[in-house]
This record gives sequence, C-alpha cells and structure tokens, in this order.
Amino acid sequence: DTGVSQDPRHKITKRGQNVTFRCDPISEHNRLYWYRQTLGQGPEFLTYFQNEAQLEKSRLLSDRFSAERPKGSFSTLEIQRTEQGDSAMYLCATTPMGLAGGLAEQYFGPGTRLTVT
Amino acid sequence: GESVGLHLPTLSVQEGDNSIINCAYSNSASDYFIWYKQESGKGPQFIIDIRSNMDKRQGQRVTVLLNKTVKHLSLQIAATQPGDSAVYFCAEGSQGAQKLVFGQGTRLTINP
Repeated sequence: DTGVSQDPRHKITKRGQNVTFRCDPISEHNRLYWYRQTLGQGPEFLTYFQNEAQLEKSRLLSDRFSAERPKGSFSTLEIQRTEQGDSAMYLCATTPMGLAGGLAEQYFGPGTRLTVT
Repeated sequence: GESVGLHLPTLSVQEGDNSIINCAYSNSASDYFIWYKQESGKGPQFIIDIRSNMDKRQGQRVTVLLNKTVKHLSLQIAATQPGDSAVYFCAEGSQGAQKLVFGQGTRLTINP
C-alpha cells in the first residue's frame, strides 16, 4: 500500500453513461498525475496537477474527459458519454516536487478498472 | 486477479539466479529514469530510479545501469525470489516535460 487510494476499484457502465473516479493522494504530495493503462501496455500519461493547477493535458484526453483537483488535495477524473474504447485501468500517482523542480518517484494507487459495455 | 500484459516480452529465470531486464529509451533529452514492478491487478510499485548524471545506482537486491550513449537502461535483480514475478516497466522523463513515458514492459517469471 503506497498511501494513494482510488475509488471505486471497479466500475462497469453502459456506453453513453458518465463516470467519475476519485484519487486521494499522499497528503504532503503536491503533484498528482492521471494515467490510463490498457492490457499489454504501460501506463499512458493523461494529465497532471501541481497543487490545484492543471498544468498539462495529453492529446489522449478528449473533450469527454475532465479532471479537477479543487483544493489541491483529492482529484476526480470524469468521463462523459463513455465509449467502449474507454475501457481501461485508470491510475493515479502522486509525488512531491523533486529537487530543483525535477521529477521524483511517483507513488501509484491501485487503479480503477473501467469496463464499458 | 486480472492479467497485466498478455503479449509482453517475457523472461524466465530459475529461483536464486540473477535477472537482467533491458529497456531502450527514446528521448535523448530524458534526464530521469525509473523502474516499476506491477503485479496482477495492482498499480505499479516503485523499485529504483536514476538521474542522467549517474550511470549506476544500487538498491536492495537491485541495480540500475544507465548507458546514455546508446540510450539503454537495465535492471538487475540479484537472487530472484518467487515474489519477484511480475511485469517490469521502465519509464523516462525530463525536467522540461515533467511527466513519465513508460516503456512496453517485460514479464518476469521465476521458476522453482
């Protein structure tokens, strides 16, 4: 257990429905990342926050996806009008800012497995 | 649990032997490299990292080697144990990009 929690762990939804996932980070970590992972692949970057500011979004993140981190603590990832291609594991990772603003190890949560039927 | 990585490169070793997992990275501007272990149904677990100003770093039973000339990273696991069975991912990042890019992953299987 890394200290990063995600909820729910599994979600099955029908195509066209909206879903929302939550990530609770390690409390002193100011950076929070969302990734998507499909079978046979490594995690793919979606977006990241530094405190409450969303600093980057991947081109993978269509306009049906939105993420928030309103108070710089927990974060939510919402997918609107889900499609079967959205089926994947959605991972959250948090990290303190590295030395001189560089990267540091990211601590991953257990993920939310989304299945769109 | 569910399977992670059905069609990954695989490496099978005998329990007690040393394992070497290799990774080629793509971006010559990358200055941070990290290895993760992922067990079925779980999120990736940090193993070890290295910055580009180093070529070797050791942890407990693990060593990471970085060859910037050929953009190659390796993870050595000494005296492998059954609990080392998992999928291993390398990832690269840079201060400019502030995010990690993951490689394909290698499935390590330990034979008794």
